[in-house]
Amino acid sequence: KQEVTQIPAALSVPEGENLVLNCSFTDSAIYNLQWFRQDPGKGLTSLLLIQSSQREQTSGRLNASLDKSSGRSTLYIAASQPGDSATYLCAVYSGNTPLVFGKGTRLSVIA
Amino acid sequence: GAVVSQHPSWVICKSGTSVKIECRSLDFQATTMFWYRQFPKQSLMLMATSNEGSKATYEQGVEKDKFLINHASLTLSTLTVTSAHPEDSSFYICSANLINEQYFGPGTRLTVT
Repeated sequence: KQEVTQIPAALSVPEGENLVLNCSFTDSAIYNLQWFRQDPGKGLTSLLLIQSSQREQTSGRLNASLDKSSGRSTLYIAASQPGDSATYLCAVYSGNTPLVFGKGTRLSVIA
Repeated sequence: GAVVSQHPSWVICKSGTSVKIECRSLDFQATTMFWYRQFPKQSLMLMATSNEGSKATYEQGVEKDKFLINHASLTLSTLTVTSAHPEDSSFYICSANLINEQYFGPGTRLTVT
């Protein structure tokens, strides 16, 4: 059974810092991995999706990497801003199955 | 891009009543939709897989008689919380499958008083 772990559970950084969020998964047979952002009381916003054949994806200040063989992904946020404060969720898709989510990392960026 | 909507976005109901939540795929057809529940400061927990034209598949520990799922068309799945109790208060999110991606609705906040 696929399990997804996110470290750290919570993170507080000053504005302007670069930061890395970690995600690991136990079964490397995945189709893709996705990073989401969730603001309090809101739904999910998809940030980046990495197909199993890809190594990384970039969108603005966000860069996500995938090492499928080792079961790891990282989300890199450059020059963090207070507006980046949210919970970041990692999820893996293994084909015709529901996404398996990690428990998330709660990020606070302090001005 | 693919869009999934949910209705209502929030609902308050009295204990013992039933509440229906709709999940629609607006610009694509989805044979499979998923229903998740999220408690405060927790991650999403899969409740059930909704299959168009057949019975839903429920996760262990989820009461199928309490959480009724109907996927009557390729663009609509409904979740009915029957005889709701305060402990059913939660954030309910649906998603729909399109090729190898899932697209999420904005969620429904249910409060049972």
